[in-house]
Amino acid sequence: GDSVTQMEGPVTLSEEAFLTINCTYTATGYPSLFWYVQYPGEGLQLLLKATKADDKGSNKGFEATYRKETTSFHLEKGSVQVSDSAVYFCALSDQGGATNKLIFGTGTLLAVQP
Amino acid sequence: DAGVIQSPRHEVTEMGQEVTLRCKPISGHNSLFWYRQTMMRGLELLIYFNNNVPIDDSGMPEDRFSAKMPNASFSTLKIQPSEPRDSAVYFCASSFYRTSGAYNEQFFGPGTRLTVL
Repeated sequence: GDSVTQMEGPVTLSEEAFLTINCTYTATGYPSLFWYVQYPGEGLQLLLKATKADDKGSNKGFEATYRKETTSFHLEKGSVQVSDSAVYFCALSDQGGATNKLIFGTGTLLAVQP
Repeated sequence: DAGVIQSPRHEVTEMGQEVTLRCKPISGHNSLFWYRQTMMRGLELLIYFNNNVPIDDSGMPEDRFSAKMPNASFSTLKIQPSEPRDSAVYFCASSFYRTSGAYNEQFFGPGTRLTVL
């Protein structure tokens, strides 16, 4: 079945450092890809998305490009802030959207130190 | 606009008691999802509904868990009897599902933190 693999955390960075969180996927069809973020004590919220190959999703300084050839959707940010400390989840639409389930990765905890 | 509403936000109960968690999805959404999150197992999909009909309940741990969606604006997740291993944060999410296969962004509620003593 479809699946998502994320790099394990925690990832600890200093403020203004460059961030990469790796995400690769296995899927049938042509899934949409998502990054969700969960701040402490809150539910998940959509950070960015891409619906087809070579699309770049971006929001709040974060970016991720849908790479079909490498089945990847790595999350990047050029300069992280303390307020970016959260858990980040990569996800894809199950069976290319044939169902409306999302398949989530295990999450990566990011801790940004001042 | 109001997001997904869950109640209660925190629940502490004793082993063997019945627990009912409630969710109000975003108005106009036709899909509803129940998730459970723990440190050990991460985020797990328990069950989801399309148009108030349960579609996939394969994630429901055992018969002690049941979920209903009597109408488009309300769903419950019930645990009877509760056990300490049910302690977790339970999230409800909703989305608008199109059969055309367009991406289906899910909107999450704030969660209910359940502690079973």
